[in-house]
Amino acid sequence: EIVLTQSPATLSLSPGERATLSCRASQSVSSYLAWYQQKPGQAPRLLIYDASNRATGIPARFSGSGSGTDFTLTISSLEPEDFAVYYCQQRSNWPPVTFGQGTRLEIK
Amino acid sequence: EVQLVQSGAEVKKPGESLKISCKGSGYSFTSYWIGWVRQMPGKGLEWMGIIYPGDSDTRYSPSFQGQVTISADKSISTAYLQWSSLKASDTAMYYCARLVIGVTTGSGWFDPWGQGTLVTVSS
Repeated sequence: EIVLTQSPATLSLSPGERATLSCRASQSVSSYLAWYQQKPGQAPRLLIYDASNRATGIPARFSGSGSGTDFTLTISSLEPEDFAVYYCQQRSNWPPVTFGQGTRLEIK
Repeated sequence: EVQLVQSGAEVKKPGESLKISCKGSGYSFTSYWIGWVRQMPGKGLEWMGIIYPGDSDTRYSPSFQGQVTISADKSISTAYLQWSSLKASDTAMYYCARLVIGVTTGSGWFDPWGQGTLVTVSS
């Protein structure tokens, strides 16, 4: 079973700063990785698919990179609305889906 | 607009049964997998299972196999998640989401998500 490990668990930054979130897979997932944002009281929202493709309507300050086992979500300049929890997710033959445990991005 | 609309919040007692729903609109419901995801209070996302409404092919996470039943009625574009005997530990928010599979790759991602159904199990 593929395990996704996200780091750090919590990231404390100020608006305007750059955020770098990591997701590491226990074995290669090629580029089959997605990122989601979840704000309190809301459903998750797709940000990035196939490791580096922004979903429809996602601002350009969000970018994804990586392949194989190491992936990064970067937010170039944090806006107040970006403080939330971020999850990575992979798809493989089995299990079909796995989520990381999440990174909480909080205001410093 | 592609949309998934879930049934409302439920409050149940331990041992009771429950079936919650997820209705899709704005796309071909039979052509995409639908997944169910659990989120316990203050915790992360856990994949429970997926169903392909076109032929009802269903896959369960080993953690949830035998604990829940996933089904779909393609005639009304609705997927279901049901319990035969609820436990207090089933208290959580449950999301459905459409699983989009990459046309030229084996990739897959969830988009969109339903608004969630809060299930509270308490005596």
